[in-house]
Amino acid sequence: AQKITQTQPGMFVQEKEAVTLDCTYDTSDPSYGLFWYKQPSSGEMIFLIYQGSYDQQNATEGRYSLNFQKARKSANLVISASQLGDSAMYFCAMREMDSNYQLIWGAGTKLIIKP
Amino acid sequence: DGGITQSPKYLFRKEGQNVTLSCEQNLNHDAMYWYRQDPGQGLRLIYYSQIVNDFQKGDIAEGYSVSREKKESFPLTVTSAQKNPTAFYLCASSLIPQGTGYGYTFGSGTRLTVV
Repeated sequence: AQKITQTQPGMFVQEKEAVTLDCTYDTSDPSYGLFWYKQPSSGEMIFLIYQGSYDQQNATEGRYSLNFQKARKSANLVISASQLGDSAMYFCAMREMDSNYQLIWGAGTKLIIKP
Repeated sequence: DGGITQSPKYLFRKEGQNVTLSCEQNLNHDAMYWYRQDPGQGLRLIYYSQIVNDFQKGDIAEGYSVSREKKESFPLTVTSAQKNPTAFYLCASSLIPQGTGYGYTFGSGTRLTVV
């Protein structure tokens, strides 16, 4: 079974609109962390935001926020006021405490911002 | 500044040749990873290492080999046994975390093409 599911292979969003990228996860480990990375067309992977399973508040980093719904096992990335430079692949990943320190990756969502 | 350096950025391989991709980090990270990414796809783990002189196979290790003689270096050899090596290769590193909050730092990648 997939541990990280990103159901949106691709999305088109108008510039300046907010966008939500979906991520659901599956784990029985009570202690885990969730990450979002951005991959522009140049290929490098850029860390965006992290949420720990015990964190009481949703993580925020500038225009990025993570809508963490623990009971639903959902960790959606919200980008406010989208910009043309936000066009990229976005990957959700999870680290479980009992995972031998590895990140488990989703398949990614390709986001295209339209001017 | 600390980071991960992958070289070369582009690499062309003839059929039947072995080629080696370089990955060097000066972050004092314990763990290092190699991923393969095909166009429009997610990341697939080839090999990882958590300590010098030790490494483990990932999901797609066949046709690849690695070494970890120094903490800073984790080169990947794509052997002639790898029948379809054309892909984008990403190297990453991380601390061995006490918790779940440590993500990966990535290099800028090597694009390998068989000619």
